[in-house]
Amino acid sequence: DTEVTQTPKHLVMGMTNKKSLKCEQHMGHRAMYWYKQKAKKPPELMFVYSYEKLSINESVPSRFSPECPNSSLLNLHLHALQPEDSALYLCASSRENSPLHFGNGTRLTVT
Amino acid sequence: GEDVEQSLFLSVREGDSSVINCTYTDSSSTYLYWYKQEPGAGLQLLTYIFSNMDMKQDQRLTVLLNKKDKHLSLRIADTQTGDSAIYFCAESYNTDKLIFGTGTRLQVFP
Repeated sequence: DTEVTQTPKHLVMGMTNKKSLKCEQHMGHRAMYWYKQKAKKPPELMFVYSYEKLSINESVPSRFSPECPNSSLLNLHLHALQPEDSALYLCASSRENSPLHFGNGTRLTVT
Repeated sequence: GEDVEQSLFLSVREGDSSVINCTYTDSSSTYLYWYKQEPGAGLQLLTYIFSNMDMKQDQRLTVLLNKKDKHLSLRIADTQTGDSAIYFCAESYNTDKLIFGTGTRLQVFP
């Protein structure tokens, strides 16, 4: 299994909703990442987990809350989002000193 | 600083070679990558090069690295319509933080 799987593929939520994005990999990768990508822009790093511990938080607002329950799973909990948070959310994973492998993303629309 | 620049758009005829260019500013980068993104999809790793290498070839793809000029290029030989996508270069000092370029949209016409 050489994939990073993200669910759901699409998500529409209101500004008062609570939802979660999920990411799974079974490649034994020790690092997992969340990136945010707006239309026609490059991905921007949000969070990095290394060995299940949060190692990088790129000053992301607290309405985004990451969680790494185990070495194969990464969640992103969403609460009280704004319309400008609408974007493609990409998960990635990697081994030590190896390239990142990305999932196909969750397209999020906040109404 | 951490700026990675690419030209926005490239149009080529099917069967010709495509060359996508990238300039970066962080001379301490250890890895440089090329990713492909098709519409509505995630990023697909195409190839990568260590900073102590000048060139890497992988089937139709050739990566050239000029460390003096901080210039990276991706050449796609015999470009096909399926190569139409956005191509991102990316650099990292360590792989926990990738800095992406602005992306180049490649359009291949018959």
